[in-house]
Amino acid sequence: NAGVTQTPKFQVLKTGQSMTLQCAQDMNHEYMSWYRQDPGMGLRLIHYSVGAGITDQGEVPNGYNVSRSTTEDFPLRLLSAAPSQTSVYFCATGTRQGLRGYTFGSGTRLTVV
Amino acid sequence: AQSVAQPEDQVNVAEGNPLTVKCTYSVSGNPYLFWYVQYPNRGLQFLLKYITGDNLVKGSYGFEAEFNKSQTSFHLKKPSALVSDSALYFCAVRAPYGNNRLAFGKGNQVVVIP
Repeated sequence: NAGVTQTPKFQVLKTGQSMTLQCAQDMNHEYMSWYRQDPGMGLRLIHYSVGAGITDQGEVPNGYNVSRSTTEDFPLRLLSAAPSQTSVYFCATGTRQGLRGYTFGSGTRLTVV
Repeated sequence: AQSVAQPEDQVNVAEGNPLTVKCTYSVSGNPYLFWYVQYPNRGLQFLLKYITGDNLVKGSYGFEAEFNKSQTSFHLKKPSALVSDSALYFCAVRAPYGNNRLAFGKGNQVVVIP
């Protein structure tokens, strides 16, 4: 089992560019989510999904889009990158019941210049 | 909405001494509580959880945590710290109903001094 796979691991964007961060899981988890991690601010939820075709906003959704067309994939789209989106992004997945917590990907370090 | 407070930014402890990382939470109903650890340039790894049952739960790498409902706390402990325990530790909570949405604390940097 690969678990949760995030690509790319590193990315540098110019202000105004768009890109998609990929998250794929092979654990048949219903719940998938995206967090950003910034120094001193912990983990902040961007978007989450409780199943294919269902997504919802977290704490900091502005500037990001998501979709969930399959159980396995949950891509995060940056529409027009801004320096404030420089961060480390983590995908986290879990079962619907949530009794085992989350499984995290290894992260994508994004720099917007 | 659920929330977590980790009051100390950094915890310094000498190798071999007991380690405690504090966490208090706020949630409606009986909480589901979790601890995660993050090593440099890595994702978060699950350490332990409290769902129900004994207030003292044991997890990976010799860590344990004590659930205290009256104090709304879930402190992480290790009897004898190792240098390799130096990492960032996150406490998280969710409500027992609704979707599987965790609220994380800001994290505690643990530094174990040789």
